[in-house]
Formats: sequence, C-alpha cells, structure tokens
Amino acid sequence: AQTVTQSQPEMSVQEAETVTLSCTYDTSESDYYLFWYKQPPSRQMILVIRQEAYKQQNATENRFSVNFQKAAKSFSLKISDSQLGDAAMYFCAYRSALSGYALNFGKGTSLLVTP
Amino acid sequence: DVKVTQSSRYLVKRTGEKVFLECVQDMDHENMFWYRQDPGLGLRLIYFSYDVKMKEKGDIPEGYSVSREKKERFSLILESASTNQTSMYLCASSPSGAGSLIEQYFGPGTRLTVT
Repeated sequence: AQTVTQSQPEMSVQEAETVTLSCTYDTSESDYYLFWYKQPPSRQMILVIRQEAYKQQNATENRFSVNFQKAAKSFSLKISDSQLGDAAMYFCAYRSALSGYALNFGKGTSLLVTP
Repeated sequence: DVKVTQSSRYLVKRTGEKVFLECVQDMDHENMFWYRQDPGLGLRLIYFSYDVKMKEKGDIPEGYSVSREKKERFSLILESASTNQTSMYLCASSPSGAGSLIEQYFGPGTRLTVT
C-alpha cells in the first residue's frame, strides 16, 4: 500500500505571510493523483487542490499552489498571503490511477494562523 | 452542490451495543467510503463501496461491517461496540470516471464515544 507522510504535525504562520506544508509519498506506480484537503475546526473536509502525476506543471488555486517533484515523490502545499480562515488541519492524500477511488491519507498538519 | 449528510454529529453508546452510522449523498455518486479519524493517525479507510450491494474492505475493517441497499445510502455497523472504537467517523462519496481527477466529498462526521 502507498504510504503518505506529513512530517510536520503542527505549523504556525502569521497573517499575510507564506507557509509551506510538506508531504512525501511512497509508490512504485507512475500514474496517480495527489490531493490536499482542508478540515477547519468542527467543519467538513474540503478539497484545496489536486494534481495529476503525469502533469509536470504545478497546480494552482488562488492563494494555494503545490510544488510537485515526481522523482523525489514530494507534494508540498504553499499558502500565500495567509488568512485567519486558513487555520485548519491539512491532509495530503494519494490515489492510485489503477486501483480504484479510495484515498490514502497522511496524518495531517495542524496549521495555526496568528494575527 | 454535493451534499453528504451523516445521521448524527455526536453519539454516545455503551460497550457491547450494536451501532448504526448512516450516510446519505444526494449526487447519485457510485462510490461511497467510511473513514475513521483519530488524532495523530489521520484518516484510515474502513470500508468502501463501488455500487449497490457491493462492498470492499479497507485498511481497518475489523469490528465493522457495512450495508449499501440503495445507491444514496451507505451504513457503517459496529456489531458490538468497544471502547477502542471511540473515534470520529467520516463518510465520503465520489463519482466514477476512469483517468480523471475525481475528488471525494465528505460529510460532517460523527463523533462516537463508547463507554
């Protein structure tokens, strides 16, 4: 089974600053999908950004972007101009292109945003 | 908008009770999932279903069973609840589609306490 590792249990960032959350994964597959999900306190998990492994171009969604390094099996999330509403648990997830629709999640990074 | 609802936000049960957690999605999605979320462990897949009356074991199926009699509803059953099943349970759904960046949509979660 593929393993997803988030090495930072907690991170902190000041409002308006930039923060990068790290994610590495272990796979022998060449075709797969990567996701970052956000879980605000007491609220539903929502998708932040996603990336197809065969695309070299890094995905971007407004203030959120990823640095996808396929050879290094790294998929970090950069949040620019951080806002108080960005405070949440962030989960990195992997989905195989070959074996269905289930996701393998990392253990999560808790992001604190300070004024 | 996709809506995934779960029957209870909070549930308290006694050891040995049979517990039903219900999940309903309103977007005609083929795939449905049950995850368990524990601090420091992230989300772990319990069971999933690709179609009505179809189920597949995830990473931690022991002590759980599922039922999918209708496409929109996916139930998680704890046959005899134990204290180590105290956790947050998240339901998710997704459409099918080969080779596409399909995301999962999550419910609000059920926080189950077994005493």
